[in-house]
Amino acid sequence: KQEVTQIPAALSVPEGENLVLNCSFTDSAIYNLQWFRQDPGKGLTSLLLIQSSQREQTSGRLNASLDKSSGRSTLYIAASQPGDSATYLCAVRLAGNMLTFGGGTRLMVKP
Amino acid sequence: DTAVSQTPKYLVTQMGNDKSIKCEQNLGHDTMYWYKQDSKKFLKIMFSYNNKELIINETVPNRFSPKSPDKAHLNLHINSLELGDSAVYFCASSQDQRRGSQETQYFGPGTRLLVL
Repeated sequence: KQEVTQIPAALSVPEGENLVLNCSFTDSAIYNLQWFRQDPGKGLTSLLLIQSSQREQTSGRLNASLDKSSGRSTLYIAASQPGDSATYLCAVRLAGNMLTFGGGTRLMVKP
Repeated sequence: DTAVSQTPKYLVTQMGNDKSIKCEQNLGHDTMYWYKQDSKKFLKIMFSYNNKELIINETVPNRFSPKSPDKAHLNLHINSLELGDSAVYFCASSQDQRRGSQETQYFGPGTRLLVL
């Protein structure tokens, strides 16, 4: 059974810092891995999707890496801003279209 | 234009009632999903459905049933509601996953269900 773990569960940083969010998964037989953002009381917004054959994806200040063999992914946020405050979720896709989510990292960026 | 929409946004009901949550997507996607986010914020897949296949997470009670009147809609029916059903339910959609593994899922805003 696939288990996805995110560390840390919560993170508070001052504005401008670079930060790394971690995601680990137990079953390396994944199709892809996605990072999502969830704002309070809102739905999920997809940030980055990494195919199982890829090592990283970049979008603006965000960079996500994937090491499938070790079951790890990181989301790097450069020059953090207060607007980045949200919960960040990683999810892995196995066969059958199912996404398995981690518990999320609640990020607070202080001005 | 909202890509994936859900109604209602909030639902408060009594234990034992039957209720439905509606989901519509205007993205032309082939596959739709229902997820449950519990009080600890863990998101779990409930169903994956396209016009040919329904995949059910084995942990979902049979009181929950998805119903799809057409490709753009996937409604969630819940019978005999229980206190533990209180959660936020998210609908999502994606292009046909069988075409490749690159398709991202787009989520609705969620329906907050409270069973009293």
